[in-house]
Amino acid sequence: DAGVIQSPRHEVTEMGQEVTLRCKPISGHDYLFWYRQTMMRGLELLIYFNNNVPIDDSGMPEDRFSAKMPNASFSTLKIQPSEPRDSAVYFCASSLVLRDRRTEAFFGQGTRLTVV
Amino acid sequence: TQLLEQSPQFLSIQEGENLTVYCNSSSVFSSLQWYRQEPGEGPVLLVTVVTGGEVKKLKRLTFQFGDARKDSSLHITAAQTGDTGLYLCAGGDHTDKLIFGTGTRLQVFP
Repeated sequence: DAGVIQSPRHEVTEMGQEVTLRCKPISGHDYLFWYRQTMMRGLELLIYFNNNVPIDDSGMPEDRFSAKMPNASFSTLKIQPSEPRDSAVYFCASSLVLRDRRTEAFFGQGTRLTVV
Repeated sequence: TQLLEQSPQFLSIQEGENLTVYCNSSSVFSSLQWYRQEPGEGPVLLVTVVTGGEVKKLKRLTFQFGDARKDSSLHITAAQTGDTGLYLCAGGDHTDKLIFGTGTRLQVFP
């Protein structure tokens, strides 16, 4: 398996523009997580899905952020409109819950977003 | 809100030294993982512990889960330059949510 695939790797956009980040999880994994990483706040959980259904979006900063998972092999995180404070590295991770309910997350390489 | 505090935040040591990184919370977790992240990459899982008091060893790395399942430690013996990176603990609860700690940035000098 190729692992979790994110695109693009880098994105530079102007304030006010719409940004869409994409993620392909590992085949067969039933959980998908979106995280944001900054030096100041570390790795923050934004939202996670189980079997394509959003379970907890309490980490989504505000209404400008939205995430979808139309099928088991694809998810998007959209920011509209984008602001300079959204600049960060955004990670997607997928996992499989084992019989004893451990969750081991496999991460993509991240998308480095810069909003100018 | 579940919080995982790691200490120290930064650690700079010479090759051959030993070190310990701590991960503490007021919440109980059903499992706890340790990840290492290198620049430009996503975190990579090192180990998972699920039982209070559990100790796991991975070559020169020793991981321990606290008896009450609220804290954990990572001990590295005879650090090498290849150990350099950001170490993250992550707690899993009954909802399967995975919350990451604040991170410890380790630099090992030759």
